[in-house]
Amino acid sequence: GQQLNQSPQSMFIQEGEDVSMNCTSSSIFNTWLWYKQDPGEGPVLLIALYKAGELTSNGRLTAQFGITRKDSFLNISASIPSDVGIYFCAGRPAGSEKLVFGKGTKLTVNP
Amino acid sequence: EAGVVQSPRYKIIEKKQPVAFWCNPISGHNTLYWYLQNLGQGPELLIRYENEEAVDDSQLPKDRFSAERLKGVDSTLKIQPAELGDSAVYLCASSPGQHHRYQETQYFGPGTRLLVL
Repeated sequence: GQQLNQSPQSMFIQEGEDVSMNCTSSSIFNTWLWYKQDPGEGPVLLIALYKAGELTSNGRLTAQFGITRKDSFLNISASIPSDVGIYFCAGRPAGSEKLVFGKGTKLTVNP
Repeated sequence: EAGVVQSPRYKIIEKKQPVAFWCNPISGHNTLYWYLQNLGQGPELLIRYENEEAVDDSQLPKDRFSAERLKGVDSTLKIQPAELGDSAVYLCASSPGQHHRYQETQYFGPGTRLLVL
C-alpha cells in the first residue's frame, strides 16, 4: 500500500531553536495533514493543507503542501518545552479515500 | 464543541477474553473511523463508516474483529477472542463526511489503550 517517509525519526533541540520535519511520497497526494500526539492521548490536528503550494501557519507552526504534491514540511519556530511530542504527517493519495500516516517524528526540547 | 469521545481509556484483559470499545464522534460528523496504533507507529485504518454504512473494512481482521455503527452516530469495535498481539491503542476519529469541503480533516479521540495478558 501507500507509504509515507517521514524524517527525521527523532530530534533533540534546545529551547528557542527552530525545527523542520518533512514527509515524502512516491505518489501524488491530494491532502496533507499534520498532527501532534502527546503521551497517552490521541493525535491532535495542527494544520491541514488542500492545494499544491499552499503555505499555512498556526501560531509558531508553518506547513507547506509541496508543488510536486509528493511532499510536505512542517516548521516550528522558537521551540518551547510544550512542543515535546510526536508529530505525524498524514496524507490522502490521489484516487484514494484513505488517509496514510507517516511513522512520526519524536521531538525533545531541552529547556 | 465536544471532541471525539472514547471509552474506556484503558483496558487490561486476559487472552481469549472479549473486549469492546465505544466511540461518540463529533456532532454532525458523518464519517467515523477506527484506527489501530502500535507502539512507535502511525495509526492504521481498520474500518471507515459513512453514516451507518461500513464503506471500507478491508483492513479489519474479520475473524475476530467486528464493528457496528447503529443509527449512524455512536460506534462500537469488538474483539473476540483477544490475542496477545492485539495489545495496542485503538483510536476513533471522525470527519465531516463526503461532499464536505474539508471531508478529509479527521479529528481523533484520546484512544483506548488495550493490554492483553
